[in-house]
Amino acid sequence: DAGITQSPRHKVTETGTPVTLRCHQTENHRYMYWYRQDPGHGLRLIHYSYGVKDTDKGEVSDGYSVSRSKTEDFLLTLESATSSQTSVYFCAISESSGVRSYNEQFFGPGTRLTVL
Amino acid sequence: GDSVTQMEGPVTLSEEAFLTINCTYTATGYPSLFWYVQYPGEGLQLLLKATKADDKGSNKGFEATYRKETTSFHLEKGSVQVSDSAVYFCALSDPGGSYIPTFGRGTSLIVHP
Repeated sequence: DAGITQSPRHKVTETGTPVTLRCHQTENHRYMYWYRQDPGHGLRLIHYSYGVKDTDKGEVSDGYSVSRSKTEDFLLTLESATSSQTSVYFCAISESSGVRSYNEQFFGPGTRLTVL
Repeated sequence: GDSVTQMEGPVTLSEEAFLTINCTYTATGYPSLFWYVQYPGEGLQLLLKATKADDKGSNKGFEATYRKETTSFHLEKGSVQVSDSAVYFCALSDPGGSYIPTFGRGTSLIVHP
């Protein structure tokens, strides 16, 4: 199994508080991603990173920010949590295999976040 | 842009039944295709993949063939087990585009004893 951990695994917080989720990998993969998963919506990309300090927005980035200061860590921050951000959050990693990039992803176990 | 369409679920089967989950795609280039499986309470994990037309990916009794002419990558298994109950996601990665895979919405499979 790919070495990906997420912390915390479960969190309950209140509306308006900041929250940071951490993704840590031991695979030295270049690309890292944050998704949220909600019933009826499948997986939706929040932000992704293509290298240290290189990040970009996904389709549902409003209300979220990310940082990647080291290859192994990718942080997702909710600056001021809202109830609509109650979800399960997954981190994923991948590595380009060169000219033909297969982009197989490896996923972490997820973080269940509840915003009251 | 790229897109993946898979059949809505839930798909409910009895143990030992034949399984098909349909997946079709739209891509500008020549994508690699994937099936991921998500067991309850876990993250997604790669089930199988195919990287070019007519390739067949297989794993754990599941198979899918990359059909360029019909832009499809249907997942099949000859005899499902209760332990196959999970959500299945079809996905593509377009090497001519970005390194961000495109996922379908997922199909829930429920297998009864």
